Amino acid sequence: GIQVEQSPPDLILQEGANSTLRCNFSDSVNNLQWFHQNPWGQLINLFYIPSGTKQNGRLSATTVATERYSLLYISSSQTTDSGVYFCAVEGTGGSYIPTFGRGTSLIVHP
Amino acid sequence: DARVTQTPRHKVTEMGQEVTMRCQPILGHNTVFWYRQTMMQGLELLAYFRNRAPLDDSGMPKDRFSAEMPDATLATLKIQPSEPRDSAVYFCASALVRGDVFQPQHFGDGTRLSIL
Repeated sequence: GIQVEQSPPDLILQEGANSTLRCNFSDSVNNLQWFHQNPWGQLINLFYIPSGTKQNGRLSATTVATERYSLLYISSSQTTDSGVYFCAVEGTGGSYIPTFGRGTSLIVHP
Repeated sequence: DARVTQTPRHKVTEMGQEVTMRCQPILGHNTVFWYRQTMMQGLELLAYFRNRAPLDDSGMPKDRFSAEMPDATLATLKIQPSEPRDSAVYFCASALVRGDVFQPQHFGDGTRLSIL
């Protein structure tokens, strides 16, 4: 099956800093999603981005499908951005089953 | 906003007891997923339904786990008998899949299960 690797595994920032999270995948994908799991355990869909670039407030994401990676940018980070960020991809086999990476754990200090 | 609803939010029970977790997918979504999250394994897919039919449950231990969708508004995940290693957070997610178009997954808040 498709392999998904996220980096870095852990990230600690001061409030106001910018960061880039990366998701590499081993094969062509039909779909890619970014999720944020907050400290209460809730999984929130951030972006549905199989290709191209999207922006939502201080967050933006870019997927370069031909090079098999996606980036999540967080600008002017806030303490509420803390949590784990997951990338989930669905391969082209038509299974519609997302494969999740292990996540990037982000801590933003005030 | 439409949400996936999971019950119970927390469950503590003794080894050997039956556990039933319930999920109400978002109205109109035709695809339901059950995941288990642990520190060691991360998010694992247990079962997957499309239009109430089970499509993939290869991630689920068949001897003790079962998943069903008795109707379009309810999905259940049962563990019988439960074991301490089943302690985890169980998430349900739903999505609309039409043809080759896959819409984003939406997750419930999870059931935090502790087996003593």
